Amino acid sequence: QSVLTQPPSVSGAPGQRVTISCTGSSSNIGAGYDVHWYQQLPGTAPKVLIFRNTNRPSGVPDRFSGSKSGTSASLAITGLQAGDEADYYCQSYDSSLSGCVFGTGTKVTVL
Amino acid sequence: QVQLVESGGGVVQSGTSLRLSCAASGFTFRNYGMHWVRQAPGKGLEWVAVIWYDGSDKKYADSVKGRFTISRDNSKNTLNLQMDSLRAEDTTVYYCVTYNGHWPNGFGESWGQGTLVTVSS
Repeated sequence: QSVLTQPPSVSGAPGQRVTISCTGSSSNIGAGYDVHWYQQLPGTAPKVLIFRNTNRPSGVPDRFSGSKSGTSASLAITGLQAGDEADYYCQSYDSSLSGCVFGTGTKVTVL
Repeated sequence: QVQLVESGGGVVQSGTSLRLSCAASGFTFRNYGMHWVRQAPGKGLEWVAVIWYDGSDKKYADSVKGRFTISRDNSKNTLNLQMDSLRAEDTTVYYCVTYNGHWPNGFGESWGQGTLVTVSS
């Protein structure tokens, strides 16, 4: 069982804005460790979408943004597109487990 | 461009061993820490292990500690994962991943396509 909890699914119409939460605790996000986000398109390997809480790698559209507050982090997708249908995972470090931890994953569906 | 090609996956019996390898190219391998991350079919991502850029330190998930060993050969641009005492729950796709940044705040920058390990009982 992951220590970072995400909603199993979120959905939205094309053009809409959706957000994905990543809820942790005082031993991971709340302790100040960075949060990173990954997108996994069907049948492919994950790809980094947001690193160090708010940073986008080159090539990632600015429709994707990350934020972090307290023991949680969020990924926002604006102007939702059909190509955004994928699984999304947050990742951080947990001091109690002494290792990297991934979120439970969220499936984004474009209606 | 960065290429990470995993190999060594397959079907093995429970209790046996398997060695995965990852051939890296397109970047200066010896400058990067490296991860293994795994994903069971239809399930989420699970971190397995990390090794420092020079091999001087290694960290493992509790689920594999004492059974798996991560290693690297910077002269051959190769990352390895020796998996012993395999269990049914080790049946997953294993990804080789570059670790960008300083432990423990780094992230998985580049990912291989993965290699499937199936452990049968």
